[in-house]
Amino acid sequence: DAKTTQPTSMDCAEGRAANLPCNHSTISGNEYVYWYRQIHSQGPQYIIHGLKNNETNEMASLIITEDRKSSTLILPHATLRDTAVYYCIVKTGGFKTIFGAGTRLFVKA
Amino acid sequence: GAGVSQSPRYKVAKRGQDVALRCDPISGHVSLFWYQQALGQGPEFLTYFQNEAQLDKSGLPSDRFFAERPEGSVSTLKIQRTQQEDSAVYLCASSLNQAPYEQYFGPGTRLTVT
Repeated sequence: DAKTTQPTSMDCAEGRAANLPCNHSTISGNEYVYWYRQIHSQGPQYIIHGLKNNETNEMASLIITEDRKSSTLILPHATLRDTAVYYCIVKTGGFKTIFGAGTRLFVKA
Repeated sequence: GAGVSQSPRYKVAKRGQDVALRCDPISGHVSLFWYQQALGQGPEFLTYFQNEAQLDKSGLPSDRFFAERPEGSVSTLKIQRTQQEDSAVYLCASSLNQAPYEQYFGPGTRLTVT
């Protein structure tokens, strides 16, 4: 599975959009991009996934570049409860999942 | 419905003791995963089951680690002769064997080896 690169940490003001980038330059054609987050002392939580097209659900939006080498997770109106570690993962199907260190997002009042 | 549950939530073991960690996946979920998460790091894959078959155990750090899922439901991760470096949170996740393959995680078991 391809590796991903994410910033170590980011800050965001409450109520503003949080844009979390991820580089996955070695992604292959059949690999999906998944995002999970982990709030302190809890297990990771699935947020969204995509292959080529941009995706949106009730939690977030996922923007994937045309060459698929990078993506951005957007939390449109960040709240204090969105403070967490966000993991960008690329993988095929339902098998082995490799988490990196993720991005620590701090949402500030 | 009920999510993934794990027990115990906390376990303290003396070095050299054996421990068994239990995972109850979501009913009907074919796939089950175990991860190890050290403090301040992301989860590290340990092993993966599809029903009762262990399809990938490449992440198990040593032969002291053993996982089973005999009836394709509940799974147990056993660590023999625990060592201090085994101290971590052990996470279990389950998923359906179909897209989007999203994994549902339990709260984890925090193991401390003294």
